[in-house]
Amino acid sequence: AQKVTQAQTEISVVEKEDVTLDCVYETRDTTYYLFWYKQPPSGELVFLIRRNSFDEQNEISGRYSWNFQKSTSSFNFTITASQVVDSAVYFCALLTGTASKLTFGTGTRLQVTL
Amino acid sequence: EAQVTQNPRYLITVTGKKLTVTCSQNMNHEYMSWYRQDPGLGLRQIYYSMNVEVTDKGDVPEGYKVSRKEKRNFPLILESPSPNQTSLYFCASSSDRVRNEQFFGPGTRLTVL
Repeated sequence: AQKVTQAQTEISVVEKEDVTLDCVYETRDTTYYLFWYKQPPSGELVFLIRRNSFDEQNEISGRYSWNFQKSTSSFNFTITASQVVDSAVYFCALLTGTASKLTFGTGTRLQVTL
Repeated sequence: EAQVTQNPRYLITVTGKKLTVTCSQNMNHEYMSWYRQDPGLGLRQIYYSMNVEVTDKGDVPEGYKVSRKEKRNFPLILESPSPNQTSLYFCASSSDRVRNEQFFGPGTRLTVL
């Protein structure tokens, strides 16, 4: 069975602080894909990144970076110099070759204040 | 513009009154899926479809039906809605259920009184 754990329910930071959102996953499959989605207050789901299990390279996209570590089954997401517009719920998700669905974590609500 | 559309976006209904939430995608995707989002539970899959006339249950299929008569459409049917189906519903599609990202619709907020 697949499982995704986002232990941080809510995080509150002041603008310009760096913040890391944790994601721990469980799967017995050797081939799998990890995703991060952003859900702003408007409600839509915005795709941020996909990473497959064979690529452990970290990725940086502007102020966003992702740290994938198979040894600890983690796929953490860091926002550098956070901004108010980053306020949203962030979901980590797992999809495996044997499954037909994205298994989502319960989400982390990030509140960035001035 | 590539997109997944859902209708209605908001719906308030009463227990037992049948309703359908439509989902349509214009990307010629084979794979489509329905999720519901509830506070503290994240998103959970209701049903999915690998192609036309091929559907299967997800994690929480009870109380829902789907059909896939055309590639672009994947309606979600609640034959007899109950208050515990009050939720935010998302339809998603992708060209490959494993490799590619799923494109999500804007969501349908359903309230069953």
